[in-house]
Amino acid sequence: SQQGEEDPQALSIQEGENATMNCSYKTSINNLQWYRQNSGRGLVHLILIRSNEREKHSGRLRVTLDTSKKSSSLLITASRAADTASYFCATSTTSGTYKYIFGTGTRLKVLA
Amino acid sequence: GAVVSQHPSWVICKSGTSVKIECRSLDFQATTMFWYRQFPKQSLMLMATSNEGSKATYEQGVEKDKFLINHASLTLSTLTVTSAHPEDSSFYICSARRSGIGGEQFFGPGTRLTVL
Repeated sequence: SQQGEEDPQALSIQEGENATMNCSYKTSINNLQWYRQNSGRGLVHLILIRSNEREKHSGRLRVTLDTSKKSSSLLITASRAADTASYFCATSTTSGTYKYIFGTGTRLKVLA
Repeated sequence: GAVVSQHPSWVICKSGTSVKIECRSLDFQATTMFWYRQFPKQSLMLMATSNEGSKATYEQGVEKDKFLINHASLTLSTLTVTSAHPEDSSFYICSARRSGIGGEQFFGPGTRLTVL
C-alpha cells in the first residue's frame, strides 16, 4: 500500500527557479528519504532525514520534516535542466520491518 | 558507498515462461532484501520482504506462488516471475539492508521485464 502522497504530481519550472515538493505520510516513521529517478532508470538517493531531525541540507537541496503534521518537503534551489526527473519520498515506519514505502512521486520538468 | 547489483538489467520473454531476477549486495551482508515493482509513470510498490534463511513476507495483493522469492545467502536474493504474462511487464527493483543495528538500505539499478 502507498504510504505517502506527494504534491504536486507534476511541476514545470524555468531554469534558475526553485522547486518545492511535498510529501505526506500516514503513520509514525523512523526516517524519511528522498530519491530521484530519471526516466527508465534506477533510484538515486538524495537525503535521509531522521524522525528527530527537522531540517537537512545537501548542496542545492533542503529537506524539512514535520512529524506533527506527518509531512516533509524537498526544496531544490536554482534548478537546472539536469534536475528534470521524478522525485519520491520513502518512509521507514516504526513497525520494525525496516521496509520503505514510497510516495506517489512528483514529476519535475525544468525548462532551459 | 555500498553497491547492490541486479541481473539481468533487462529481459524480454514469451508469455508463459518463467524469469529469474537476481539481487546481490556486492560489498556487504544483507539479512533483509526488498522487492519492488514499478509500472510506467507510477511509483514503486513494495512486493515482498526477503529474509535470509526464511520465507519471504508478501504485501497484500501480491501472489506468492507467482512471485517466488529465495534468499539463500546473505548477499543474494532472487525473484522468479513464474508463468509470466504481459501484465507482469514492469520495472523490478530490489533493495538490500545492511545487516546490523541501524543498517542502511541501498537500491539496485532495476530490471526491466517485458513479456510478449
